[in-house]
Amino acid sequence: EVQLVESGGGVVQPGGSLRLSCAASGFTFSDHYMDWVRQAPGKGLEWVGRMRNKANSYTKEYAASVKGRFAISGDESKNSLYLQMSGLKTEDTAIYYCVRLAYSSGWYVDYWGQGTLVTVSS
Amino acid sequence: DIQMTQSPSSLSASVGDRVTITCRASQGINNYLAWFQQKPGRAPKSLIYATSSLQSGVPSKFSGSGSGTDFTLTISSLQPEDFATYYCQQYNSYPLTFGGGTKVEIK
Repeated sequence: EVQLVESGGGVVQPGGSLRLSCAASGFTFSDHYMDWVRQAPGKGLEWVGRMRNKANSYTKEYAASVKGRFAISGDESKNSLYLQMSGLKTEDTAIYYCVRLAYSSGWYVDYWGQGTLVTVSS
Repeated sequence: DIQMTQSPSSLSASVGDRVTITCRASQGINNYLAWFQQKPGRAPKSLIYATSSLQSGVPSKFSGSGSGTDFTLTISSLQPEDFATYYCQQYNSYPLTFGGGTKVEIK
């Protein structure tokens, strides 16, 4: 059974840093693309960024709103995905979801984690 | 960036109704279109990918169609567990983008 469990959320001051983790199980981590998606309170879904699979050298993509401030990484030995967030702004307040992607001519989302809440406030 | 526009933003329907939600892309997306369902306080759930392919375990009352820039999600017979917010997403090009959501409420 595929499971994605996020952790690391909390309250942080503007300008601060936070590292989110996503523990993956039930599948071969290195075979899949992984994304981070966020949702501000009462708002819609926003794609944050992507880590491609091992076959694609774990390369990354980022949304313009977080590029240069957020960094995605992964640890194959721990089956874990990370989101290092720095220079946090109040508008980064959101639930952050770790998602797995599967391939069928294109990479599409198939599984979601339960999310972890990040609150940026002074 | 590709803009995804969903309509309506909300709708009221009765149990047993057939419901259709529309998603329009600002440019062609090669049918790389997914649909998600989200219930209050819960993580989204994947329903459909590649415009019309059902995710494993998703009931056949859900169907997707469309091409080019216009896509639809149809629920053939609305049940109490289907009242939720639905989102479309294009995954043709970066940045990936979502529609604003359609809230399906009980009439």
